[in-house]
Amino acid sequence: GQQVMQIPQYQHVQEGEDFTTYCDSSTTLSNIQWYKQRPGGHPVFLIQLVKSGEVKKQKRLTFQFGEAKKNSSLHITATQTTDVGTYFCAGPRGGAQKLVFGQGTRLTINP
Amino acid sequence: NAGVTQTPKFQVLKTGQSMTLQCAQDMNHEYMSWYRQDPGMGLRLIHYSVGAGITDQGEVPNGYNVSRSTTEDFPLRLLSAAPSQTSVYFCASSRDGQVREQYFGPGTRLTVT
Repeated sequence: GQQVMQIPQYQHVQEGEDFTTYCDSSTTLSNIQWYKQRPGGHPVFLIQLVKSGEVKKQKRLTFQFGEAKKNSSLHITATQTTDVGTYFCAGPRGGAQKLVFGQGTRLTINP
Repeated sequence: NAGVTQTPKFQVLKTGQSMTLQCAQDMNHEYMSWYRQDPGMGLRLIHYSVGAGITDQGEVPNGYNVSRSTTEDFPLRLLSAAPSQTSVYFCASSRDGQVREQYFGPGTRLTVT
């Protein structure tokens, strides 16, 4: 079964509002990755977090890795229509040779 | 570089038919993998390979076979298609044997009737 849980499954916001998606693992992760998939497209790598408590920023996107390395979050400040898509977290399993994805959070935006 | 390419883009099969989904990458990546994507299920790993001649099972391997005779190619074979295999299939690659940044292909949308 799914070992990486992601919430919420859907989020609809007004343009300019903030957005956050959360990822929880049943076990400690050596790292966590985040991907974005635009409607009709393929997943595209955004970032990888490795260290406990790590925080990384990419323009309006802020990524955090929990102190226990079992959870992570992605926060988007002041959403824009270009942020529409599904955001996935993913963590390694099986000696870091398998990548397990969360179910994804689908973000839609009202312009 | 073309990156990761997949063919075909769309395919319709009848139950019981077999087919091969093609995947190729030109980045000299060691690690390649196949995922299926179904609504509400995220991406689930079918099979993966850490190098030519080496393959292993992911979360949902039943009904699928793979081989890795070259670094570049990683075809996925459906032996006897079933409606439950209706899905979008993505191939991905990454730089070495550990799971790092994955580069995804454009996907194959498969319908089994």
